[in-house]
Amino acid sequence: DTEVTQTPKHLVMGMTNKKSLKCEQHMGHRAMYWYKQKAKKPPELMFVYSYEKLSINESVPSRFSPECPNSSLLNLHLHALQPEDSALYLCASSQGTIQPQHFGDGTRLSIL
Amino acid sequence: GQQVMQIPQYQHVQEGEDFTTYCNSSTTLSNIQWYKQRPGGHPVFLIQLVKSGEVKKQKRLTFQFGEAKKNSSLHITATQTTDVGTYFCAGPIIQGAQKLVFGQGTRLTINP
Repeated sequence: DTEVTQTPKHLVMGMTNKKSLKCEQHMGHRAMYWYKQKAKKPPELMFVYSYEKLSINESVPSRFSPECPNSSLLNLHLHALQPEDSALYLCASSQGTIQPQHFGDGTRLSIL
Repeated sequence: GQQVMQIPQYQHVQEGEDFTTYCNSSTTLSNIQWYKQRPGGHPVFLIQLVKSGEVKKQKRLTFQFGEAKKNSSLHITATQTTDVGTYFCAGPIIQGAQKLVFGQGTRLTINP
């Protein structure tokens, strides 16, 4: 069982679609993250939110748009994605930005 | 830039053999974290080392943090099929904001 919940678990979308990935944690963690992971590679940091404010954007293309509605929720809005964006998208949370992270199960995204 | 290097990239062992993965940083780390990702799963936090020369054990797993806090190792004694997965080290770096940087991971496969 994971304490970080991500939905959906799988997503197939066309390049013109708009969709959102959702992440929720109830551990009181103040840092939340989005990672992208390709097969046989380490997680690649995309965004970091600290106390609900965006603190790190790792030069991610604007077709990915993060949102942190409150301290428990993190969204990733997707628009006009490319086939190379197909990957496992992981959400994580931690007490602080360099503290151990708890990961969700991820969303497996396929772009047609 | 600051990096966290991990070797080997792959390791295949016979069940019952020992396994070690090594992590090196170009700079001193305030802590080092280890994660395990099972095939098809998400990274799971194993342990955090903070002190110079620290050694921690979890059953058959032994974790070490170097005296200079620039290197770390994970050793598994008498591997079992349940140890299969990719082991990542991760260390905090400061590039503007603080963030956790993952090593490339060591993928362990086991012949039963």
